[in-house]
Amino acid sequence: TQLLEQSPQFLSIQEGENLTVYCNSSSVFSSLQWYRQEPGEGPVLLVTVVTGGEVKKLKRLTFQFGDARKDSSLHITAAQPGDTGLYLCAGAAYSGAGSYQLTFGKGTKLSVIP
Amino acid sequence: EAQVTQNPRYLITVTGKKLTVTCSQNMNHEYMSWYRQDPGLGLRQIYYSMNVEVTDKGDVPEGYKVSRKEKRNFPLILESPSPNQTSLYFCASSFGTANYGYTFGSGTRLTVV
Repeated sequence: TQLLEQSPQFLSIQEGENLTVYCNSSSVFSSLQWYRQEPGEGPVLLVTVVTGGEVKKLKRLTFQFGDARKDSSLHITAAQPGDTGLYLCAGAAYSGAGSYQLTFGKGTKLSVIP
Repeated sequence: EAQVTQNPRYLITVTGKKLTVTCSQNMNHEYMSWYRQDPGLGLRQIYYSMNVEVTDKGDVPEGYKVSRKEKRNFPLILESPSPNQTSLYFCASSFGTANYGYTFGSGTRLTVV
């Protein structure tokens, strides 16, 4: 079973600050996905990165996949209270029979204080 | 609207009383999966299905059953629930490829007393 370590586990920052969340593994993944989850709701997909070194931007969020496809980072610029939530990374690995399995990190709980 | 629908959203039951949590998706996804989410443990996969009549165990399958008789439905069955199955459960579906993310349901909060 592949393991994904997310850091930090908790993050509390002031509105307007920048932050970075990390997702690390010793395993190689075919892709790395980031989700955001609000309390009492299911995770919602933000982005999928596939190529080593790939960078994707989603408004103030920047996602990067490591060159070796073992790690990823999420950077938020000028955080806003609406960014508050649990951020989950998930690595996709081939599981045989033409299918992929997702392994989730335990998440980073972000609080942005107005 | 493309979605995964779980029912019920909340359920309180007693130890040993069989229950079923339903899951349905309208996106024609081949792949469906059940997860439980617990504080400090994150999302753990219970069972998954790559297509109709094809199911397999995830990381924590003990005490659960599933079936996939139709492509759109993937119910989770607890034959004899126990308090350690108190958790937040999520159903998810996908095309099952590395590039395609999962769509999650809104969750079922189960309490077993």
